[in-house]
Amino acid sequence: QSVLTQPPSASGTPEQRVTISCSGSSSSIGSNAVNWYQQLPGTAPKLLIYSNNQRPSGVPDRFSGSKSGTSASLAISGLQSEDEADYYCAAWDDSLNAYVFGTGTKVTV
Amino acid sequence: EVQLVVSGGDLVQPGGSLRLSCAASGFTFGGFAMSWVRQAPGKGLEWVSSISPGGNTRYYADSVKGRFTISRDNSKNTLSVQIDSLRAEDTAVYYCAKHGLGRHLEYWGQGTLVTVSS
Repeated sequence: QSVLTQPPSASGTPEQRVTISCSGSSSSIGSNAVNWYQQLPGTAPKLLIYSNNQRPSGVPDRFSGSKSGTSASLAISGLQSEDEADYYCAAWDDSLNAYVFGTGTKVTV
Repeated sequence: EVQLVVSGGDLVQPGGSLRLSCAASGFTFGGFAMSWVRQAPGKGLEWVSSISPGGNTRYYADSVKGRFTISRDNSKNTLSVQIDSLRAEDTAVYYCAKHGLGRHLEYWGQGTLVTVSS
């Protein structure tokens, strides 16, 4: 059961900026780092952002993350067709002693 | 290059058991926590279980507690999960994942499909 809430969908035209929100609680996002994963159709998820705003090597700087209180956001600037995917936020939850994923957001370009 | 090769998925009857394995290479396996994550058909990601680098600490989602057992063999660079008392709702693609230095899942295997059906 997801305890991080995301909008089910987001869309934009090429080169636009899209933002995805992730709402949690004091025991999840409020106390722990937020990570973001990208899942292209038919493939395994891939780490996109870790520790709230860090990009792994190879991830374009078009992707950026932020966190404030019990919420986090993923921004995709300069949207490209290859960005069409499902995006999930995730964080450890101290109350559940569990790693919780967001409900997922499907991005359409 | 980090590689995680998952195997063991199958069609199993309700109440049955299965063991999934994840063969790791390209990194110091015993130095990192590992996790299992699953995804039911057409659904989102669900964390299943995590194990510490040495194997001493294990965490489970409430939905699998008491039925799933995560383990690792650092001498063989292998992560496993024993799944007992399988239910229809366990039907999913199961991924293994390597943690980074934090709790993020840095690398993911390709996944294996477990189908629970009579």
